[in-house]
Parts: sequence; structure tokens; C-alpha cells
Amino acid sequence: DVKVTQSSRYLVKRTGEKVFLECVQDMDHENMFWYRQDPGLGLRLIYFSYDVKMKEKGDIPEGYSVSREKKERFSLILESASTNQTSMYLCASSLGSPRGSPLHFGNGTRLTVT
Amino acid sequence: AQKITQTQPGMFVQEKEAVTLDCTYDTSDPSYGLFWYKQPSSGEMIFLIYQGSYDQQNATEGRYSLNFQKARKSANLVISASQLGDSAMYFCAMRLISNFGNEKLTFGTGTRLTIIP
Repeated sequence: DVKVTQSSRYLVKRTGEKVFLECVQDMDHENMFWYRQDPGLGLRLIYFSYDVKMKEKGDIPEGYSVSREKKERFSLILESASTNQTSMYLCASSLGSPRGSPLHFGNGTRLTVT
Repeated sequence: AQKITQTQPGMFVQEKEAVTLDCTYDTSDPSYGLFWYKQPSSGEMIFLIYQGSYDQQNATEGRYSLNFQKARKSANLVISASQLGDSAMYFCAMRLISNFGNEKLTFGTGTRLTIIP
């Protein structure tokens, strides 16, 4: 079974702090994704990565950056946390091929910025 | 614009009845894929079913089937004989290819399904 592990289930940070959300997958998947989930808005793609050191902006990348130094690890960075980044963050991974391979999700990190 | 739409924010259904959750999409790409995910109150995202745009048959997985109507651009999820454990949030998602040729999934806003005993 694919396992996607997010390092924290709950996180509370102060406005202006630099925040790191970590995600590790154990199935040698090429693709990794960061989404945020907000009520009424569904899941929105922040960034994704299709290879080590390769990344692409999603639909809402402003205020975020990412790092993928190793294939199994994909980090989401909030350079200067703001209250509007309070949300549930979901990491996911998938095989590069065949096209249509499902995303496997971690359990999420609920981030509160005060 | 490429987008995916779920118009039912919430649904209440009697146990053992069939349920149809609506999903419409918009894309000009001839090659795409459609997914359904279930998110129970525990928060995990569970993959249910997949339909490729070139698949001739509607996808089925146990009690789940996908009513794929390509001309109407709809991909409704049908759950037969609903159970209390089906109460959850359901998301429809579309596989798209980015401007740089990479695969990504875009999700709808979800439908909260509640099964009534």
C-alpha cells in the first residue's frame, strides 16, 4: 500500500513566521502535489513536482514555495505566514505513468496562523 | 477555461436507496481523465473510480459506477444501495495537462452526502 506521510497533523504558527510542511511518500512516485482545502472551495492546487528539483506552479502559488531535493520528499514553505493561509493542507503523490494513475493522499496538516 | 463543477453542496438520501452525485467539466483537451474521491469525517481522501476520455465503457467499481456522458461533459457518480458508511464528502476531479506538459488534477468543490437510517 502506498503511504504518504505528512509530518504534522496540527500546527499553530504566528503571523510572519516561516513555516515548513513536510511530506514523504514511500512508493517511488514521480509526481507529488500540495493542495489546500477550504470549506466551499474544495481542493486547490498550490504547487506540484514531476521530478527531483523540478516544480510547477498550481492555481494558487502566491505566498508559497516548494522544495524537492529527494524523490520521496516534497516540502511546502510559507515564507511569511499570514492569517489567510490558515487551512487544511494535503500532500499527494502519483506515478508518472500510466496517465490516469490516481493520487494517493496524506492525512493532512491543519495549519492555524494567529 | 478548464474547470470542474459540482452543483450539489449537500444531499440527504435514505439508506439502501441509489444516489447520483453530479459532476460537469469543461476542457478543450481531447485527452483527459475523471476521478471521484471520498473524504469521510476522518479527513483521509479515498480514491473511488476513474474514467478516461477514450474509454468506451462506463467505469464500475463494486457499488460505484460512473455515468460518463461525453457530449454533455458530465461524469456523475452513482452509488447503488447506499449504506450509512457512505456518508462523506465526495469530490470529482479532472486530470489535465499543464502548459508545460505535466499532469495535474483539478478538483470540484465537493458534495456532502448524508445517508439517513
